[in-house]
Amino acid sequence: GAVVSQHPSRVICKSGTSVKIECRSLDFQATTMFWYRQFPKQSLMLMATSNEGSKATYEQGVEKDKFLINHASLTLSTLTVTSAHPEDSSFYICSASTRKRGQDIQYFGAGTRLSVL
Amino acid sequence: EDQVTQSPEALRLQEGESSSLNCSYTVSGLRGLFWYRQDPGKGPEFLFTLYSAGEEKEKERLKATLTKKESFLHITAPKPEDSATYLCAVQATGANNLFFGTGTRLTVIP
Repeated sequence: GAVVSQHPSRVICKSGTSVKIECRSLDFQATTMFWYRQFPKQSLMLMATSNEGSKATYEQGVEKDKFLINHASLTLSTLTVTSAHPEDSSFYICSASTRKRGQDIQYFGAGTRLSVL
Repeated sequence: EDQVTQSPEALRLQEGESSSLNCSYTVSGLRGLFWYRQDPGKGPEFLFTLYSAGEEKEKERLKATLTKKESFLHITAPKPEDSATYLCAVQATGANNLFFGTGTRLTVIP
């Protein structure tokens, strides 16, 4: 149980285009999902917290107009990188929070490798 | 400010050579400490959550322990398939998000 699916796993795009990444909780409902960014050999940096039916909460320094987050249902959150540039190339990972045996656990997707040419 | 420091940065072990990974943390109030395993190019895989000092959890060759300042991930008789980056993260009281350390990259040599 507690499977999180993230799609696509890899995307290569031209500078200036927009890219949408989907994150789905397959066997549970997640009122809260999270989006992280990871640079090579560095840890996960939280970008934003996504709550179903409300606006996402962005971390300091993350441009909300650049990284659009939509959490339209209890099983789906999307991250759209608008007008992508080479500096946006990174590994993007989502997670979904669920309660198991009284504990709130975050389960992660497999990540999306974005390369902007 | 929340802080998580993991050491060592990288660790090479012979198969069967037991060792420990360290996670030192500073947080205003600890809601939970999490251990994840991450393979290259993949998302983190949940291993353990610890909530209070003195708590221990075990799973196969891994055992996680927690004090008021740090957590250890003990690996007993590791196998090559245990090679991965092990991430530690803290969740502060009243928060939903996790704050991650930079990880320990473990390599187990056959």
